Amino acid sequence: QKEVEQDPGPLSVPEGAIVSLNCTYSNSAFQYFMWYRQYSRKGPELLMYTYSSGNKEDGRFTAQVDKSSKYISLFIRDSQPSDSATYLCAMSAAYTGRRALTFGSGTRLQVQP
Amino acid sequence: GAVVSQHPSRVICKSGTSVKIECRSLDFQATTMFWYRQFPKQSLMLMATSNEGSKATYEQGVEKDKFLINHASLTLSTLTVTSAHPEDSSFYICSARLDESSYNEQFFGPGTRLTVL
Repeated sequence: QKEVEQDPGPLSVPEGAIVSLNCTYSNSAFQYFMWYRQYSRKGPELLMYTYSSGNKEDGRFTAQVDKSSKYISLFIRDSQPSDSATYLCAMSAAYTGRRALTFGSGTRLQVQP
Repeated sequence: GAVVSQHPSRVICKSGTSVKIECRSLDFQATTMFWYRQFPKQSLMLMATSNEGSKATYEQGVEKDKFLINHASLTLSTLTVTSAHPEDSSFYICSARLDESSYNEQFFGPGTRLTVL
């Protein structure tokens, strides 16, 4: 079993739709949670980061973490064709521990105009 | 802010040659940088953790003598693929960890596409 599970998609939605992207994980030591967006043949771009449980909102993006369920989500409101990319969840253990990120496999999102 | 550059962006080389890839944090200090490789339609696989002033830490299965890492300053880490072979062809991406971050934020370079003929 992988430490981080993410549905690879592709997920296809019409422009303006609300998108929900999710990851589950098995390592209870993970405390830091991030979402990256990666366009084809480019490096990942940090979108959101959260610590422990709770919600965080930034513009059209909302990140949620439920540590009791080991489940994190990224919501995209009013999705745009420019949001079409692969979205990677990433997480790591506590600050003083292993600092490398463990990534999900990525979900490919396509927003149809 | 928090920009990471990689050079070159693309390289084609003959089998048996060595290739050096540079990763620079342009506007912040990064004591720790990471090197990943990514195959088509797959996620990033961590190869090694690069620490300024000390030896890199390699993941299981990654040959340290083949993938030489040097982190000579707080803004530069290099990955040298020695005696490259076609199976080393991949997308290599570095990331730099923001030293002053309490969230373990890491910022990625644009990647280097290596093709070994």
